Amino acid sequence: AQSVTQLDSQVPVFEEAPVELRCNYSSSVSVYLFWYVQYPNQGLQLLLKYLSGSTLVKGINGFEAEFNKSQTSFHLRKPSVHISDTAEYFCAVSKAAGNKLTFGGGTRVLVKP
Amino acid sequence: EAGVTQFPSHSVIEKGQTVTLRCDPISGHDNLYWYRRVMGKEIKFLLHFVKESKQDESGMPNNRFLAERTGGTYSTLKVQPAELEDSGVYFCASSQDSRVLTDTQYFGPGTRLTVL
Repeated sequence: AQSVTQLDSQVPVFEEAPVELRCNYSSSVSVYLFWYVQYPNQGLQLLLKYLSGSTLVKGINGFEAEFNKSQTSFHLRKPSVHISDTAEYFCAVSKAAGNKLTFGGGTRVLVKP
Repeated sequence: EAGVTQFPSHSVIEKGQTVTLRCDPISGHDNLYWYRRVMGKEIKFLLHFVKESKQDESGMPNNRFLAERTGGTYSTLKVQPAELEDSGVYFCASSQDSRVLTDTQYFGPGTRLTVL
């Protein structure tokens, strides 16, 4: 079985400041890793995913994440946030292509002016 | 191209009533997934269709939930009878080909179900 832990339920951050959202997972098998974002009143949108290869993954809207196998982590970062980045962010894993996603509890990011 | 759509966006029903949620996947997507987020908890997988067949229904909580995908197009999720603990947001997602490593699940906006 797999599980995902997002260590911060809420992260307040000032506009133009950097942000890091932490995600740790546990699994007995290799996994694929994802970050999704949910803007207010919208569905989940894929930010980025790690399938294989380079451990640094770049996504949309200036986000990137780094896969660390030894620490079983997949933290999400953005060097400078905008008001429009206010949303809830979800880390997820799956054990195979086309397999169900296992989500963390989500992290609400509130960007303040 | 239209994304995944879900209807209704909100539903408020009383305990014991029946509710049917609908999901229309992206055109041409063979895979359809249902997920649920109960208040304050994580999003949890319910089931996965490949075309009209149930590939994985390991997340269905009990037999009060019935999912169908007749004809392999849209899907419905019926809850009968609804209980208080069924309240939450029900998400639908679709993907083109689950056999492909780079296959991506695209999510709809969700249906918020409130059982009183």
